[in-house]
Amino acid sequence: QKEVEQDPGPLSVPEGAIVSLNCTYSNSAFQYFMWYRQYSRKGPELLMYTYSSGNKEDGRFTAQVDKSSKYISLFIRDSQPSDSATYLCAMSALTGGGNKLTFGTGTQLKVEL
Amino acid sequence: DTGVSQNPRHKITKRGQNVTFRCDPISEHNRLYWYRQTLGQGPEFLTYFQNEAQLEKSRLLSDRFSAERPKGSFSTLEIQRTEQGDSAMYLCASSLVSQLELFFGSGTQLSVL
Repeated sequence: QKEVEQDPGPLSVPEGAIVSLNCTYSNSAFQYFMWYRQYSRKGPELLMYTYSSGNKEDGRFTAQVDKSSKYISLFIRDSQPSDSATYLCAMSALTGGGNKLTFGTGTQLKVEL
Repeated sequence: DTGVSQNPRHKITKRGQNVTFRCDPISEHNRLYWYRQTLGQGPEFLTYFQNEAQLEKSRLLSDRFSAERPKGSFSTLEIQRTEQGDSAMYLCASSLVSQLELFFGSGTQLSVL
């Protein structure tokens, strides 16, 4: 079993829809939770990160972490065609130096006009 | 462009050949990471450097793989005696020691025939 599980999709939604992306994890040592966005043939870029449990909002994006359930979510409001990409959750225990990230498989999102 | 630069962007090689990839991190970043990403999967950690010291290597990094960062600036990743299973995108990322965010390059796509 992988440490981080993520539904690979693909997920197709109409423009303006609210998108919900999720990951579950098994390693209780994870403290930092991140969402990266990856466009085709590009490297991942950080969207948001949260520390421990709670919510964080940045524009149209909201990240939620529930450590008791080992479950994290990313919500995208008013989705746009430019949001079409693969969304990767990533987690870090940040022990012993070095921010070694453990990624999910990524969810492929398509926002259609 | 002041981002992370990786060369070459694509490499096609025959099984058994040696290949070398180069990564130029963001200039002031003292941490440098190598990840590998196969189709439909998230990136997997391979190794990381702090300045010129290689501080951690994943079990994924077999004896055929070697990475260097000789002067604490650019890094090279060499794969000896390539196998078809080495076909993947090799991603480089960099950060400051104090920074949670990793900045990824666009990767080197390796195809082993």
